Amino acid sequence: DAGVTQSPTHLIKTRGQQVTLRCSPISGHKSVSWYQQVLGQGPQFIFQYYEKEERGRGNFPDRFSARQFPNYSSELNVNALLLGDSALYLCASSLYNGEAFFGQGTRLTVV
Amino acid sequence: GQQVMQIPQYQHVQEGEDFTTYCNSSTTLSNIQWYKQRPGGHPVFLIQLVKSGEVKKQKRLTFQFGEAKKNSSLHITATQTTDVGTYFCAGPVDDYKLSFGAGTTVTVRA
Repeated sequence: DAGVTQSPTHLIKTRGQQVTLRCSPISGHKSVSWYQQVLGQGPQFIFQYYEKEERGRGNFPDRFSARQFPNYSSELNVNALLLGDSALYLCASSLYNGEAFFGQGTRLTVV
Repeated sequence: GQQVMQIPQYQHVQEGEDFTTYCNSSTTLSNIQWYKQRPGGHPVFLIQLVKSGEVKKQKRLTFQFGEAKKNSSLHITATQTTDVGTYFCAGPVDDYKLSFGAGTTVTVRA
């Protein structure tokens, strides 16, 4: 079985640009969560979607948005990129609130 | 809001020695999860503890959940180079998100 897949793996963007990150959960998992991990810190929760509805949002500005599609895949959008948005963006899928299975992440660099 | 704290931040261990990393929450947790992240990798689930005072073992790793369900520990015996990485504990918050600690980064001297 395929694990959680994320694309792209690496991305370089310029300040002010917009970016879309994609995630495909493990087959059968209806819950997808997004985390931001800055170097040297633990993952910080951004969003959780379950059955295509937003269940929770972390302490991130409105520049961050996400959605989940009927096939349970998900996209994370970040507008008006700042240098501080440079981080590893992790997607995790789970059955509900059990163990989280993380993808390899998208490393975003904003220059 | 809930905060999960881990100590120490760094653990430098001689190969073959034991060490323990600790996790403390400001609130009672329904469960505690532990993850390992290798350098350049992504967090990988290790274990979940649910019951007060629960102890679980995975080979050389021993995980414990405190009686008050506010703290946890991970003890590794006879450290090997394969143990290198960052160990995170995480607790559920508001029924939908995981609050991660800052992690303990382990390096091993051969």
